Amino acid sequence: EVQLLQSGGGLVQPGGSLRLSCAVSGFSFDTYGMSWVRQAPGKGLEWVSNMDGSGVNTNYADSVKGRFTISRDKSKNTLYLEMSSLRAEDTATYYCAKESTTKTNYYGMDAWGQGTTVTVSS
Amino acid sequence: DIQMTQSPSSVSASVGDRVTITCRASQGISNWLAWYQQKPGSAPKLLIFGSSNLQSGVPSRFSGSGSGTDFTLTISSLQPEDFATYYCQQANSLPPTFGGGTKVEIK
Repeated sequence: EVQLLQSGGGLVQPGGSLRLSCAVSGFSFDTYGMSWVRQAPGKGLEWVSNMDGSGVNTNYADSVKGRFTISRDKSKNTLYLEMSSLRAEDTATYYCAKESTTKTNYYGMDAWGQGTTVTVSS
Repeated sequence: DIQMTQSPSSVSASVGDRVTITCRASQGISNWLAWYQQKPGSAPKLLIFGSSNLQSGVPSRFSGSGSGTDFTLTISSLQPEDFATYYCQQANSLPPTFGGGTKVEIK
């Protein structure tokens, strides 16, 4: 069974840092990409970052580029999102998601973590 | 960035109704489109991938269609558990973008 278990959210002051974790089981990092998606209170979904199955290729939304870093530890089957220089507008529930894509087809984000809340406030 | 425009933003419907949600991309995305369902306090759930392919375990009353710029999610006979917010998402080009969501409410 595929599972994604998130941890690491909380309250942080503007300008502060936080690391989110997403521990996965039931599948191999090598085979699937992983994404982070966030949702501000009462708002829609916003893609934040992703990493492909090789772990080499990463991408970021312009709103977080240079401040957030996606990474993974294969030995721990864990995906991370390191967030720094946090702003009030980064306040959101953050989800990790398993994603499947080939060169010719998109299979969607078919498994999601439970979400973790990040609040940036003084 | 590709803009994804969903309509309507909300719809009131009764159990048994047919509900159709549309999603328009600001440029062609072939069939690189997915639909998600989200209930309050829960993570999104994948319903449809590749524009028209039903994700395993999703009831057959859900269907998707479209290609290029215009897409549709249809619920053929609305059930009580279907009251939720629905999002489309394109993955044709970076950054992936979501529609603004359609809230399906009880009439």
